[in-house]
Order: sequence, then structure tokens, then C-alpha cells
Amino acid sequence: IAGITQAPTSQILAAGRRMTLRCTQDMRHNAMYWYRQDLGLGLRLIHYSNTAGTTGKGEVPDGYSVSRANTDDFPLTLASAVPSQTSVYFCASSEAGASGANVLTFGAGSRLTVL
Amino acid sequence: SQQGEEDPQALSIQEGENATMNCSYKTSINNLQWYRQNSGRGLVHLILIRSNEREKHSGRLRVTLDTSKKSSSLLITASRAADTASYFCATIAYSGAGSYQLTFGKGTKLSVIP
Repeated sequence: IAGITQAPTSQILAAGRRMTLRCTQDMRHNAMYWYRQDLGLGLRLIHYSNTAGTTGKGEVPDGYSVSRANTDDFPLTLASAVPSQTSVYFCASSEAGASGANVLTFGAGSRLTVL
Repeated sequence: SQQGEEDPQALSIQEGENATMNCSYKTSINNLQWYRQNSGRGLVHLILIRSNEREKHSGRLRVTLDTSKKSSSLLITASRAADTASYFCATIAYSGAGSYQLTFGKGTKLSVIP
């Protein structure tokens, strides 16, 4: 089934540890995104990539890094996790990158708890 | 910062009634989209309305856009218990250098009581 696969679905992590959330899409979409969703704050963009080999910063990029070595994969890394990074993380993709007609397809999310 | 703001934050209705959710935004947009999120799941795209359109329909969904008031509404007719979910508006706006930015609101939580 075409779509986005995120892993892990849930993780509890000690503060200070490094963590990589994985995201893979099989739709050959050009653009990929990482959002975090927190109660009362909605979805906030962390990082994005309009095409393989390029990345950009979103609204809340601090403490996170991404890479886009190929079209399908867009991992999100927390170099040294802090409790404020406890959240649900969603990966998304869209056919067009810097386009006015972006329609996003979302993964099922990764719930991260940092203690 | 959030571009779209949904209203109300939460809405509870009886099955069969219509549900109306509103979205207001601050700057000029290229298009506006509505997404749905079931509890514990990712968002699913429902409908897109372009800035030069005033109304759009898809099944039991009706979306309106008033660019002069910078607002949009999502109407779900003849609601069903399965419509229970959170609904988000998202605006696409030109952010310069040939790029567009998609920004989500905080969502409206709809509960449809059987």
C-alpha cells in the first residue's frame, strides 16, 4: 500500500540521548516534511525538504536535524533529547515542493516521550 | 506562527445534524485546505479551495472561502458518528524566493453523538 511509513510508532527516551525518527515514502514525492503536534499548539513545521539533496528550516527547528540523501527517506534526528521534545511527530510528503498546490500525505506518527 | 485559526475549538452535535467549522487567517493566500485527523492517526486531506474560488463541494463536505474577510468555513452535512475527529485548516501562502509555506491551524475537535 502506497504511503508513508514512520518508525518507531512509540518511544520512551532518557534526556540527553540521541534519537532518530525514520520516515520512508513510496510515492516518489519530491517534498517531505516533519511536524510536531502538541496539545493546544496544533502542528508546527520542524524541517522540510523540497527535493532530494536539499533541506530547510521550519518554524521550530532548534534541537533537530534532518537529511535527504534520496527521494524516499527523510530521517529526523534529535542530537541530545530534552523533555520539551516530548511530542507526537508526523512525517508528511507532497508531490510538489515549492509549489502553490501542495497537498500533504501524512504518516501515522511517532509518539516520543523524553524523561 | 499559526496562520489559520479554527473556531470553535470543540463542537459537539447529534448525529444527523450539520457541523460548521470556521477558519480565519491573517495574510494573503494561494489556497486553503482542510484536513481531518482521527484520534491517534495522521492527518488526511479532505479538500482544497483556491483563492479565486468561493465554494467547493465534495460529498457531504462544503467549503467556502471569503478572501475579503480572510476566512473559510467547512460544513459537514448530515453528520455521522464516524465524522468524529479533529479538523484542521491549512493555508498555502507565497513566502518569497519562489517558495510557498503551508501553515496549519490548531484544529476543531468535532464529536458526533449517535
